[in-house]
Amino acid sequence: AQSVTQLGSHVSVSEGALVLLRCNYSSSVPPYLFWYVQYPNQGLQLLLKYTSAATLVKGINGFEAEFKKSETSFHLTKPSAHMSDAAEYFCAVSLHNTDKLIFGTGTRLQVFP
Amino acid sequence: DTGVSQDPRHKITKRGQNVTFRCDPISEHNRLYWYRQTLGQGPEFLTYFQNEAQLEKSRLLSDRFSAERPKGSFSTLEIQRTEQGDSAMYLCASSLDSRGDTQYFGPGTRLTVL
Repeated sequence: AQSVTQLGSHVSVSEGALVLLRCNYSSSVPPYLFWYVQYPNQGLQLLLKYTSAATLVKGINGFEAEFKKSETSFHLTKPSAHMSDAAEYFCAVSLHNTDKLIFGTGTRLQVFP
Repeated sequence: DTGVSQDPRHKITKRGQNVTFRCDPISEHNRLYWYRQTLGQGPEFLTYFQNEAQLEKSRLLSDRFSAERPKGSFSTLEIQRTEQGDSAMYLCASSLDSRGDTQYFGPGTRLTVL
């Protein structure tokens, strides 16, 4: 069964510092991969997705993620954190033969001034 | 594009009561999904529809849960004889037809079972 692991339930960075949120998946077949963000009292919003095209995917708000098949990873990065990036981030996968999303447990990002 | 809407946003009920939630997807989206999210966890898949056909149900979904999408537009999720363990955020999402299409999520319905 496929699964998603997000290392670190909480990540804290200073404003202007690099953001790195980790995501590893387990699947024998490269899946589709997604990063969603959830702000307090709001719904999930797609940041970016990988669907077998370019391995480096650029998303909204300056975020990007790189699909590395050899490492079964899809880590999310942003060069310079803003206070407004503070939120919960979820990595998710879906296989090509199903449309349901399997989510990780999430990483809460805190940004300090 | 008004986005995915869900009603109600909050529901408080007593154990043993039945509750029903509604989801209105983005108008041209044929696929509609229900997920459940508990505190500190990521959303868990419950079920999904392609138009009015329910194509997959999670084994997590007990017989007390039923979902419908009668005309391929809005959907309802009913929970019968609610239990305290049903307390969660219930999320609805919709997407177009193709594999890998983005799922757009609604704001969710927060259920509290007393």
